[in-house]
This record gives sequence, C-alpha cells and structure tokens, in this order.
Amino acid sequence: GAVVSQHPSWVICKSGTSVKIECRSLDFQATTMFWYRQFPKQSLMLMATSNEGSKATYEQGVEKDKFLINHASLTLSTLTVTSAHPEDSSFYICSATDGLAGGLPDTQYFGPGTRLTVL
Amino acid sequence: AQRVTQPEKLLSVFKGAPVELKCNYSYSGSPELFWYVQYSRQRLQLLLRHISRESIKGFTADLNKGETSFHLKKPFAQEEDSAMYYCALGGASGSRLTFGEGTQLTVNP
Repeated sequence: GAVVSQHPSWVICKSGTSVKIECRSLDFQATTMFWYRQFPKQSLMLMATSNEGSKATYEQGVEKDKFLINHASLTLSTLTVTSAHPEDSSFYICSATDGLAGGLPDTQYFGPGTRLTVL
Repeated sequence: AQRVTQPEKLLSVFKGAPVELKCNYSYSGSPELFWYVQYSRQRLQLLLRHISRESIKGFTADLNKGETSFHLKKPFAQEEDSAMYYCALGGASGSRLTFGEGTQLTVNP
C-alpha cells in the first residue's frame, strides 16, 4: 500500500514553455503533499507543502509564481513550472502523507521523481 | 530552526563488517526522526522511524536526545545495503521534513 506515482517520469522542454508534473496517491487519500527538488548528488530541498483545497505553503526562496502548485483533490497534486529556463532543470520529487498517524508525525511516501530538462 | 547533519558523504565498508551512519540534529521541540533509503534508480523509501522502535533489514537507530543524535547501525553489512541513506527530522504531526545531505554507503564484497 501507500504508493505515490508521478507523471511524466522525464520531460524535455524548450526555454520559455511551461511544464506540468502530476503527483498521485494511488491507494490512499493524501491529506498533505510535498514537492521537493533534488540536484545531482545533493539532498532533497523542500519547495512547498500543499493541503487539499488550500493554497500551498512555499519555502523561503521558492517563487510561487514560478512554481504553481494545485492540490485539487485528495489524490492529485500538480506542480507547474512556468516559463521554464535551463536553471530549472532538476529532479522534482513529490511525497504524500495519509494523516493517519493519530497525532504523531506522518510518514511521507515518495514518488519516483520527474527529471526535467530545459533546453 | 530545524537542521540535520550527516557528516559523512561517503562511507565504504566490507561485507560482514559493522556499519554506522551518523546523524545529528538541531531542533527545539520534540523531534521525530526518520531514516530514508534510496537504492540505485529507485524512489526514496522509509527505512525506519524512531517512534516505531523497530529493526528493519537488520538496521536499528536510537534517538539520543542528550547528544542530539540518531545514528543508524547494522552489525553485519550486506552488499545489498549499498544505497544512499538520508536522515530526516520532523516536528509536529503532518509537518515538513528536514533532510540531511545524505550518506552514500558502499558495501564491498
């Protein structure tokens, strides 16, 4: 159980275009989803936290107009990289929690990641 | 502020040797610590969390609040343990995780 999928697994786009990445919880309802960015040989950097039906909370230094997050349902969150540039090329990973920890911190279940390359 | 430090970026041991991956944290509240593992070409997955007090794949980790550490240990490393290991710190329920930089463990035959 607790499977998270991402689509697409990789994408190549031209500079100036927008790219949408989907994150789905396949067998549970995700109360909260997180979006991370990972550079080669580096750790995960949290970009934003999204709760279903609410505006996402962005980490300091992350441009909310650049990285649009929508969490319209309990099983789907999307990250749209708007007007992408080469410096946006990275590995984007989402995670989801089911909120069933009963007051304890929730385990995050991770998607496989999306490799974005902006030419 | 939350902070996680994994002092070793690379760790190499021989099969059958004990292994310890270090993790230190900084947090003013009551910490919840996790170890996540990422095998080659696979997604990040939970290895263990301190609240569960369980042993997964022979790995254990004890939270030492005095030393603010949560080191991951295994008495006899196996080649299939070779992976990237991340220590992560969470606070209140549902809150964000702060990840360490990760330690790449290589177990040599």
